[in-house]
Amino acid sequence: DAGVTQSPTHLIKTRGQHVTLRCSPISGHKSVSWYQQVLGQGPQFIFQYYEKEERGRGNFPDRFSARQFPNYSSELNVNALLLGDSALYLCASSLRPNTEAFFGQGTRLTVV
Amino acid sequence: RKEVEQDPGPFNVPEGATVAFNCTYSNSASQSFFWYRQDCRKEPKLLMSVYSSGNEDGRFTAQLNRASQYISLLIRDSKLSDSATYLCADAGGTSYGKLTFGQGTILTVHP
Repeated sequence: DAGVTQSPTHLIKTRGQHVTLRCSPISGHKSVSWYQQVLGQGPQFIFQYYEKEERGRGNFPDRFSARQFPNYSSELNVNALLLGDSALYLCASSLRPNTEAFFGQGTRLTVV
Repeated sequence: RKEVEQDPGPFNVPEGATVAFNCTYSNSASQSFFWYRQDCRKEPKLLMSVYSSGNEDGRFTAQLNRASQYISLLIRDSKLSDSATYLCADAGGTSYGKLTFGQGTILTVHP
């Protein structure tokens, strides 16, 4: 059984650029959430999508956006990258909201 | 006050030891909690859900204390492979199950 898959695994971008991260949830899971984790901290919630609708948004600037597709995969977009956006971006998949969440391996983004 | 707080450690224990971590939460309405394990530069892996009645899985026991608003994780007979960062997560407070994590507790088990 495939778990949560994220792509790419690593990415280096320059300040001011744009990035798109992708996530495929576990088969049958309809809820996808995005988290940002910086070194030494726990993951911070960015977005949650369920049934292709945004259901929750964390305290992140409007440069961050996301969407969920009909097959329940999801994209996270970040515009005008800042050095401080360097982090591990994690996607979590769950059957539906408020059920156990399983994480993908993450995308490690470095902004230089 | 942070929504979820953990003692960052590190906890250094010998193999075979019993170790316990606590995690406090501020949202008294929270109903769901989880423990995750995260190895260095890897993703968090779900270790246990935390139920009101407590939850045991082999060497691991999770407890919830609503009166004092904390959850705990007990690891018995520690193994070298238990070395990792342990993250607690509060899934309460929203209808969509946002997870609020503590900063993690580092555990090192040595021979």
